[in-house]
Amino acid sequence: EAGVTQSPTHLIKTRGQQATLRCSPISGHTSVYWYQQALGLGLQFLLWYDEGEERNRGNFPPRFSGRQFPNYSSELNVNALELEDSALYLCASSLDYRGSNTIYFGEGSWLTVV
Amino acid sequence: AQSVTQLDSHVSVSEGTPVLLRCNYSSSYSPSLFWYVQHPNKGLQLLLKYTSAATLVKGINGFEAEFKKSETSFHLTKPSAHMSDAAEYFCVVSRPRTGNQFYFGTGTSLTVIP
Repeated sequence: EAGVTQSPTHLIKTRGQQATLRCSPISGHTSVYWYQQALGLGLQFLLWYDEGEERNRGNFPPRFSGRQFPNYSSELNVNALELEDSALYLCASSLDYRGSNTIYFGEGSWLTVV
Repeated sequence: AQSVTQLDSHVSVSEGTPVLLRCNYSSSYSPSLFWYVQHPNKGLQLLLKYTSAATLVKGINGFEAEFKKSETSFHLTKPSAHMSDAAEYFCVVSRPRTGNQFYFGTGTSLTVIP
């Protein structure tokens, strides 16, 4: 069974541009989570989607946005890129948001802003 | 409210000696607790999970953790460290049946000395 898959693996963008990162959850999982892992800052919660709806949002500016598609895949968009957006972006999925489910992570997408 | 504290940001052990990574949590409800491992430039991999069954939880790669409610702790141990155990370890708490909010510790970096 395929795990959580993310694309692209690496992305280099210029400051001010937009970046789009994609995530496919484990088959049967309806919840998708996005985290940012910047150097020295640990994992920061970005967004949580379930059944196509945004369920919760971390303390990030509105230029970080995303959506979840009917097939439960998700994309994260970062507009007006800033140098400090350079980080590893991790996507995770879980069976659904009811009960004590486990989240499973993808390998991440490295975003470098120059 | 839920939170998790990893008491050591860095732990260094010699190969073949025991590993102890400490985690304390606070939770208003009976929590689910997890340990994840992250090898360099990789995503997070689930090591083990506690969900109110047996208090001693066995995970992959010889790791185990004991849930101690009286001490609000969930320390991760391994009898004998291997070079391949060098990685970042994250303790995570979630609050079941409320929407699957996951709270991450700041991580413990484990170094294994040959």
